[in-house]
Amino acid sequence: RKEVEQDPGPFNVPEGATVAFNCTYSNSASQSFFWYRQDCRKEPKLLMSVYSSGNEDGRFTAQLNRASQYISLLIRDSKLSDSATYLCVVNKINTGTASKLTFGTGTRLQVTL
Amino acid sequence: NAGVTQTPKFQVLKTGQSMTLQCAQDMNHEYMSWYRQDPGMGLRLIHYSVGAGITDQGEVPNGYNVSRSTTEDFPLRLLSAAPSQTSVYFCASSAQDRVDGELFFGEGSRLTVL
Repeated sequence: RKEVEQDPGPFNVPEGATVAFNCTYSNSASQSFFWYRQDCRKEPKLLMSVYSSGNEDGRFTAQLNRASQYISLLIRDSKLSDSATYLCVVNKINTGTASKLTFGTGTRLQVTL
Repeated sequence: NAGVTQTPKFQVLKTGQSMTLQCAQDMNHEYMSWYRQDPGMGLRLIHYSVGAGITDQGEVPNGYNVSRSTTEDFPLRLLSAAPSQTSVYFCASSAQDRVDGELFFGEGSRLTVL
């Protein structure tokens, strides 16, 4: 089983739709979770951290389910500019170091008119 | 606002050739790292550094060398290129070696080894 698993997609949704991505992780000791966004042929950029209580940033909501070991990202009112690949990132083991981050393969979102 | 700068952006090598990918950051970040990204695989850590003079291996270090003589620069050397090293390489930095620190990535270097 991969340490971090994501549905590769693509998710094709019309503008204005709500779309949700899930990401599962294998290590129950993981403590830190993030979503990064990567545009086509560009570098990844931090979208948001995921906190235990869930957190929201505008149209984006991230949630963590420790019992089932999955993280979700919900995008409401999708825009064309949301088209990108969304990378789930989890710390590999229970450490606080950046070198122990594990990246998922990403879920591709295509928002259409 | 340069951030993390990588050069070259594109490179084609023949098997057995060596080369160096350059990475520089102007944010005074202590932590720097190199990743490779391949289709169907997540970003994989090659080498990293938590400060000048300190480097360590990541998940896939074989065939690569690094050094960190200054805070700003973290070059990645391919010693004898192999087709398996065809990939997109990203340099990333962070203020500290902390898992909750934001990673800032360079624009990437696309390497093809024939």
